[in-house]
Formats: sequence, structure tokens, C-alpha cells
Amino acid sequence: AQSVTQLGSHVSVSEGALVLLRCNYSSSVPPYLFWYVQYPNQGLQLLLKYTSAATLVKGINGFEAEFKKSETSFHLTKPSAHMSDAAEYFCAVSESGFQKLVFGTGTRLLVSP
Amino acid sequence: SAVISQKPSRDICQRGTSLTIQCQVDSQVTMMFWYRQQPGQSLTLIATANQGSEATYESGFVIDKFPISRPNLTFSTLTVSNMSPEDSSIYLCSVEGAINTEAFFGQGTRLTVV
Repeated sequence: AQSVTQLGSHVSVSEGALVLLRCNYSSSVPPYLFWYVQYPNQGLQLLLKYTSAATLVKGINGFEAEFKKSETSFHLTKPSAHMSDAAEYFCAVSESGFQKLVFGTGTRLLVSP
Repeated sequence: SAVISQKPSRDICQRGTSLTIQCQVDSQVTMMFWYRQQPGQSLTLIATANQGSEATYESGFVIDKFPISRPNLTFSTLTVSNMSPEDSSIYLCSVEGAINTEAFFGQGTRLTVV
């Protein structure tokens, strides 16, 4: 069965600092992997996705993630945090393309001035 | 892309009552998905709704509690029946975008049961 583990329910960074949100997955088949962002009282927005093409995936708002099969990881990074990045971030995996996603428990990113 | 509209956006309901949530998509889609996000937790898939057939429920979810309708390729409803405070959650509708693009989510329905 597929599953996702997000280490750290809360991550705090200073504005301008590196953002690193960790995600490890378990899947019996080559997975599709996603990062979604959820701003307060809003729905989910796709940041980026991995679909077995390039292992380094670039997304919106300067975020990127690298698929590492040997480590079963798909960590999300951004070189320089901005105040507007403060939100909840969810990693998700799917063995059926863009259907029936399995989500991690989420990481709340806090950005301080 | 797919634009999803959910109604209502939020509601406060009395325990023992039922609430029907509507999901409208601006394009025809084969499958629609309903998720639940309990307070402080992640999203959990409730069921998959196919047009013309009964919904397929995930482990821990049953049709009597969460009946789903899918009358056409652009619309679905999820009913939360005989509600209790434990049903207080955000309920989200999701569809797969055209030509294998991405999964789109509605804005969600924030339900509070008192």
C-alpha cells in the first residue's frame, strides 16, 4: 500500500532562509508524487508534480523538489523564503496517476521577519 | 484546467441532521473524488464517484453515512448523514484534469456540527 511520511509538523524559517520540507513515500509501483500548498481558509493548490520524467522538478513560486528513488524521498525546497510562503504544505503519492491521492499529514511552514 | 465549485462553502449544523454538499465542475470528467480533512489532520479519501454506477468507498467509510450521487459528468453530491461533532471537517471535491494533467480540488466545505 502507498503511504507518505512528512517529517516535522511545523517548520520555522527566517525570511530569506532556505526552506526544506521533507517527504518520504512508500509505493509498490513507480509513483506519481505531488506537493500541494494550502493557505488559510483556502483549497489546495498544486506546487509541483513528479510523473517519472526529470527527477528534479520545478514548480510555482520558486519551489522545487527532487525525486530520489534510492531514498524514497521527494523533499521540497526553496532557496529563499518569503513571508507569503507561510502555509500548510502537503506531500501526496498516487499509484494511479492523478486519481486517489494519498496525503501526508502536512507541514506548517512559519516564516519570521 | 478544471474549475470546481463547491456549495456550501461552510455550514454549522445540529447533530442528528444531514447536510448535502454539491460539487460542480466546468468540464466533463469521468471520476470525481471526495476527501475529508479533519481538524489539524491530512486529507483522507472518502470515495470515488463514477457516473452511472455506485460510488466506491474507501475503508472506514460507508454508503449509509456518506451517500453520494453522480447524476452526470459534471456534478456530484456528498451527503453527511446523521451528523455528530466528529463529522466536523472540511470536505473537498477533486477531479483529474484533462489529458492526465493534475488533480484539481475545490475550495472545500467547512462543516461544523454542534
